[in-house]
This record gives sequence, C-alpha cells and structure tokens, in this order.
Amino acid sequence: ELKVEQNPLFLSMQEGKNYTIYCNYSTTSDRLYWYRQDPGKSLESLFVLLSNGAVKQEGRLMASLDTKARLSTLHITAAVHDLSATYFCAVDDKEYGNKLVFGAGTILRVKS
Amino acid sequence: DSGVTQTPKHLITATGQRVTLRCSPRSGDLSVYWYQQSLDQGLQFLIQYYNGEERAKGNILERFSAQQFPDLHSELNLSSLELGDSALYFCASSVGPPSLYEQYFGPGTRLTVT
Repeated sequence: ELKVEQNPLFLSMQEGKNYTIYCNYSTTSDRLYWYRQDPGKSLESLFVLLSNGAVKQEGRLMASLDTKARLSTLHITAAVHDLSATYFCAVDDKEYGNKLVFGAGTILRVKS
Repeated sequence: DSGVTQTPKHLITATGQRVTLRCSPRSGDLSVYWYQQSLDQGLQFLIQYYNGEERAKGNILERFSAQQFPDLHSELNLSSLELGDSALYFCASSVGPPSLYEQYFGPGTRLTVT
C-alpha cells in the first residue's frame, strides 16, 4: 500500500526566510502533486511533477521530484505572510485506479 | 474556481440520518472522484467513476455509496450517519482516464453530524 509522508507537519517561519517541505513516498509512482489549502477551503493545485528530475517554480515556491529517492521537495524562498496555508503532497497510486494518496499536510505559518 | 461544483456547501444533520452530496464535474470531464477530509484521518480517497462506471474504491464505508449519472454528475450517499462521519467531502474531476489527467477539486461539502 502506497504511503506518503510529509515533514515537517508544522512550520512556523519568519518573513524573508527560506525553508523546505519534504514529501517521501513508499512505492514507485511517476506523478506527484503539490496542493495548497486555506482554512475551510478547497485544494488549489500548485505543481504537477511528472518525471524524475522535474523542477517547477511559481513565485516564491519551487518543487522538485526525485523518483529514484521517492522524494519531492517544496522550497519556499523569502517567505511572505500570504504563503500561510496548509500544503499537501499527493501521489498517484496506479495500483488502485490512480487514486491520489495524500500526505498529512504541512501547516505553514509565516510571521511578520 | 476549478469549474467543479458541489452542493450543498454545508449540511448539518443528526446521527442515523441519510444525506446526499452532489457533484458536477468540469465541462467535458468524464472522471469523478470523491475524497473525505477529517481531522483524524486526513484526506482519504473514497471512490472513483469514469464515464458512469465505478473504477476504483478506497476506504469507503459500506454505509456510503455513490454513482455517476449519464449527464456525468455524481452523488455520494451517506446513510446511518455517525458523529465520526463529520468531515469535508470533496469531489474532483478530470478530463479522461484516471491514469493520464490531473484532478481538479470542487469547493467541498462540510458535513456536520450532531
């Protein structure tokens, strides 16, 4: 059974600082997603990573995928308060009709 | 706005009752997925349909059932409700076969069982 682990689960950081969220998964998959969720809201797609070595950037967020290590990272550069949210990674589980298996989420609080 | 719509937005009901959650996928999307988000279980996949046919089942309780209709909208039926069923229920849709396309999430239905 595919398992997805995120760490840290909670991250409090100062504005202007850099940090990385890690996402490990247990079995082979060639598709990984990062989502953002604001309290009580839906999931907003941030990145879709489709191949080993994929790197995508949007604003202060950059995501990468290493399929050999079964690891994805979400790097935050010079954090701002607006980035405060919960971030989820999710992996396609091909064995079960490509359902998404989600990590537990990382609650990010950016303090000014 | 993803283009996926869900109704109702909020639902408050009592234990033992039955409710129906509705999802309309994005225009042209054939696949529909249901997910449950709760504090203790996190985000969990429930069930998936493609063009009216069930394709995959996750941790869906026997008290829960779903279907996708010919017009591609989907309904999730929850019966004999328990306090632990209180959660956010999301529907997602994708263009084609589940293996190939990204899923887009609806706004969710917040179910509160009292």
